[in-house]
Amino acid sequence: DVKVTQSSRYLVKRTGEKVFLECVQDMDHENMFWYRQDPGLGLRLIYFSYDVKMKEKGDIPEGYSVSREKKERFSLILESASTNQTSMYLCASRDRDSLNTEAFFGQGTRLTVV
Amino acid sequence: LAKTTQPISMDSYEGQEVNITCSHNNIATNDYITWYQQFPSQGPRFIIQGYKTKVTNEVASLFIPADRKSSTLSLPRVSLSDTAVYYCLVGAAGGLTGGGNKLTFGTGTQLKVEL
Repeated sequence: DVKVTQSSRYLVKRTGEKVFLECVQDMDHENMFWYRQDPGLGLRLIYFSYDVKMKEKGDIPEGYSVSREKKERFSLILESASTNQTSMYLCASRDRDSLNTEAFFGQGTRLTVV
Repeated sequence: LAKTTQPISMDSYEGQEVNITCSHNNIATNDYITWYQQFPSQGPRFIIQGYKTKVTNEVASLFIPADRKSSTLSLPRVSLSDTAVYYCLVGAAGGLTGGGNKLTFGTGTQLKVEL
C-alpha cells in the first residue's frame, strides 16, 4: 500500500519561530510537492522537487524554503512563521513516468501560527 | 501550463448521474487531463486520467472531445459519500524534469449530494 506520511497532523507555533514540516514517501518517487490549502483558494503549489537536491518554486514560494537531501524525504521550512501562514499543508509525491499523472497525498498538517 | 475552469459548486441527489465539465482552452499536445477527489480533512485522491476520447474505470468516466479543450467527469449514480471537492488538472505526465512536473490545482468543484 503506497504511503505518503506527514510528520504531524496538527501543529501550533508562535510567530517568528522556525518551523519544519516533514514528508516521507515509500514509493521511490522522484517528484515531491508541497501545497497549502485555504478556504476558497483550493490547493496552491509552494515548491516541488523532481530529484534529490533539486527544487523549483511553485506559485507561492514567498516565506518558505524546502530541502530534499534524500529521495524519500521532502521538508518544508518556514524560516520565520507568521500568522498568514496558518493553513493546511499537504505533501504529495508522483512517479517520473511518462504515461502516469497520478500523485499520492499525505493526510495533511494543519498549522496554526499564533 | 494550461489553466482550467470548472464550476464552483454543483448539487445533486442520490442515484443521479453527475457530470462536471472542465474547460482548458490552452491544453498542450503532451498534456494529460486528470481528476482528483478530496474529502474534508484529507488529501486529494486520484480518480481518473485521460488523453483523448473516453476513459472509464470502476469509479468514473472521463469524456474528452476531439479538440481536447474541455473534458467531462461523469459519476454514475452518486451517493451521499460522493460529496467532495473535485479537481480537474491539465499537465504533462511525470516523464519530464523541471516545469514539466509541475502539478497545479485550481479551486475545484464542490459537489453536494443529498437524499
